[in-house]
Amino acid sequence: EPEVTQTPSHQVTQMGQEVILRCVPISNHLYFYWYRQILGQKVEFLVSFYNNEISEKSEIFDDQFSVERPDGSNFTLKIRSTKLEDSAMYFCASRADGSEKLFFGSGTQLSVL
Amino acid sequence: SQQGEEDPQALSIQEGENATMNCSYKTSINNLQWYRQNSGRGLVHLILIRSNEREKHSGRLRVTLDTSKKSSSLLITASRAADTASYFCASSSGAGSYQLTFGKGTKLSVIP
Repeated sequence: EPEVTQTPSHQVTQMGQEVILRCVPISNHLYFYWYRQILGQKVEFLVSFYNNEISEKSEIFDDQFSVERPDGSNFTLKIRSTKLEDSAMYFCASRADGSEKLFFGSGTQLSVL
Repeated sequence: SQQGEEDPQALSIQEGENATMNCSYKTSINNLQWYRQNSGRGLVHLILIRSNEREKHSGRLRVTLDTSKKSSSLLITASRAADTASYFCASSSGAGSYQLTFGKGTKLSVIP
């Protein structure tokens, strides 16, 4: 079965540094998402992306965050200046047109020190 | 904003028993979905129930939805050790919005 791939699986960074989390969505999917899960808390929506622009974003997704689809296969989440509270598991997801089912990647565990 | 809250937070059963997990939400929904997460892995979609449906089955899974009580339940019948995982409900609020609001999850342990 096709799957969403995320790299790296773990990322450790210093506070204030920029990080880029990478995702390869399922090839024929058109809708892309980022969610995050802080340890012990709920999975939270960050942003949705379609047709090369943001469709929806949550309050969490402030000016420090950005998303990009730099080519036909990758979908990235950039955090410009990481904070301690950005430490979380970040999940990428994609969805086919006409379907409500999201396919999630295995996540990137981001640790900000 | 709507919130999904599952109960119980943790459930431990013997293999072969049935497991029931409940979820409540606060605002109107378009659909409600259940996901499974094995430790350290991504979320796997299990089943989706629309707001105009009351019950849905998929293999050993049975989901019910009561929109008057804003609640849903997930029943796993004849549980197996491989069903050990965390289970989350996630609600979608409206047509055109596919933003999912997740609950905190129920951690299910199935003892062989």
